[in-house]
Amino acid sequence: KNEVEQSPQNLTAQEGEFITINCSYSVGISALHWLQQHPGGGIVSLFMLSSGKKKHGRLIATINIQEKHSSLHITASHPRDSAVYICAALITGNQFYFGTGTSLTVIP
Amino acid sequence: DTAVSQTPKYLVTQMGNDKSIKCEQNLGHDTMYWYKQDSKKFLKIMFSYNNKELIINETVPNRFSPKSPDKAHLNLHINSLELGDSAVYFCASSQVGYYGYTFGSGTRLTVV
Repeated sequence: KNEVEQSPQNLTAQEGEFITINCSYSVGISALHWLQQHPGGGIVSLFMLSSGKKKHGRLIATINIQEKHSSLHITASHPRDSAVYICAALITGNQFYFGTGTSLTVIP
Repeated sequence: DTAVSQTPKYLVTQMGNDKSIKCEQNLGHDTMYWYKQDSKKFLKIMFSYNNKELIINETVPNRFSPKSPDKAHLNLHINSLELGDSAVYFCASSQVGYYGYTFGSGTRLTVV
């Protein structure tokens, strides 16, 4: 069993829909990252969270430390949001556990 | 002026060959990493270097060897390539205490 679990593994949505991707972890963490990987392969760091909530444009990330759970929300989804979203739990200064990723496809 | 740059972006080679992938970061970070992304998109850490010292070495074959000539570079050398080595390899860097984590664009290795 992975230390970091994501759901769903695959997600298809219509343009404009509100999207939620969930991440649960079983280890104590210092912080949690949300990463985005586009079909071309590049990985971009979206958020780093240690508590509460962060917002960037149409993206919102929340974390509940007590429940060991984080969510990534996308409002008014767009086809360009199609990508793989990965959560990564930072457990020490430099060691991460990565989730298996959620493949999102937004249909026009 | 890419922050973390990997070369080459694509690499096709025959089984049994030896190849290297280069990684350079200009962020002044003190730790660099190599990750392998498997066919299921799962990222698995291979190596981590902090100030030229190997601090994480997952159970990867000893055909893989990281080489860090200085703090800004972490190259990945692979001997006797096998078909199962085909994957995308990502370099990344971070700074202890800041949690910022920057990835390179990846190197797609295909062994034929």
